[in-house]
Amino acid sequence: KAGVTQTPRYLIKTRGQQVTLSCSPISGHRSVSWYQQTPGQGLQFLFEYFSETQRNKGNFPGRFSGRQFSNSRSEMNVSTLELGDSALYLCASSLEGRSRTDTQYFGPGTRLTVL
Amino acid sequence: QQQVKQSPQSLIVQKGGISIINCAYENTAFDYFPWYQQFPGKGPALLIAIRPDVSEKKEGRFTISFNKSAKQFSLHIMDSQPGDSATYFCAAPSSGNTPLVFGKGTRLSVIA
Repeated sequence: KAGVTQTPRYLIKTRGQQVTLSCSPISGHRSVSWYQQTPGQGLQFLFEYFSETQRNKGNFPGRFSGRQFSNSRSEMNVSTLELGDSALYLCASSLEGRSRTDTQYFGPGTRLTVL
Repeated sequence: QQQVKQSPQSLIVQKGGISIINCAYENTAFDYFPWYQQFPGKGPALLIAIRPDVSEKKEGRFTISFNKSAKQFSLHIMDSQPGDSATYFCAAPSSGNTPLVFGKGTRLSVIA
């Protein structure tokens, strides 16, 4: 079974631009979560989608948004990019997303650099 | 506010030695404690997990020890190998909004 895939793997943008990242979960997984990983802050939760609905949201500004499609694929968008948005953005999928033992499987991430 | 505190931030261990990484949590509602391993250029992958009804879980060279009263859990890597060099994250579910709350990670380097 194919793992979680993320595209693109690398992105370079300039301040003020916007960016869209894509995530394809493992087949059959309905929950998709997004995390931002930086050296100083570690892994920080952005939001989770389940059945095309945002079910949970972390403490990020409204410039960060996402959506999920009927095939469970998900996109996240960051508008008006700031230098501090430079990070590795990770997508994780799981079967249902709620169970304590519902393992999250991570993709390789998209490395975003904002100049 | 960080709900899972992980230490040390970095660790250097000789090949064959024992690597120990510690995590402390605050929320007593936490009831599932996974450890993730991340290699450079890869996303984190589940390594081993424990529930608080047991005090220890072992899988090969990896052992989780859990101390419920102290609200701490630790990862022990026995006979550490250079291939174990990676960043390790402890995590726990949150009673709030996030599916998983992660520690800030420990970069482990195993040197020959």
